[in-house]
Amino acid sequence: DVKVTQSSRYLVKRTGEKVFLECVQDMDHENMFWYRQDPGLGLRLIYFSYDVKMKEKGDIPEGYSVSREKKERFSLILESASTNQTSMYLCASSSGDRGRVTEAFFGQGTRLTVV
Amino acid sequence: GNSVTQMEGPVTLSEEAFLTINCTYTATGYPSLFWYVQYPGEGLQLLLKATKADDKGSNKGFEATYRKETTSFHLEKGSVQVSDSAVYFCALNSGGYQKVTFGTGTKLQVIP
Repeated sequence: DVKVTQSSRYLVKRTGEKVFLECVQDMDHENMFWYRQDPGLGLRLIYFSYDVKMKEKGDIPEGYSVSREKKERFSLILESASTNQTSMYLCASSSGDRGRVTEAFFGQGTRLTVV
Repeated sequence: GNSVTQMEGPVTLSEEAFLTINCTYTATGYPSLFWYVQYPGEGLQLLLKATKADDKGSNKGFEATYRKETTSFHLEKGSVQVSDSAVYFCALNSGGYQKVTFGTGTKLQVIP
């Protein structure tokens, strides 16, 4: 079974803290994604990566950065957490086959609360 | 850019009722279309997909047909069960870097 594992299910952080959300996949996928999920807004893409050390901004990158030093690991970084970053964060991965559309596999999510 | 619009929820149905969740899309090119499901406390998982016009995706009794002329991909099930209670997301993927665009989700509650 494909597995996408997020390091924490629940996190509580203080305003101004630097926060790291970790994601690991075990299927040798090229593409990895970070989304945030908010009621009434669905899933919005923050950043994605199609190769090691490569990253691309998604629709809402402000206040976030990412790191992909190894193929299996994709980290989301909140440089200075703010209360409006309280949300559910979902990591996903997919294979990089440009010739056909591939399925995205999701982790279980990290519910982050910034106080 | 790409976008997905799906009906607002929540949708509450009695067990064995017929389900329709509407989904329409706007996209450049020829996207593939998906329905994902999120059960309480879990991440998203693929329910079904269709990769070209007139394709029908099906899984676990759910069906959806890719209608290019109406840019729609409505989800249907003939007889829902309590275990179908979840949030359903319509989505599209235009390929390339495999970025997926999601709708806002529709919460389904099935009562016995």
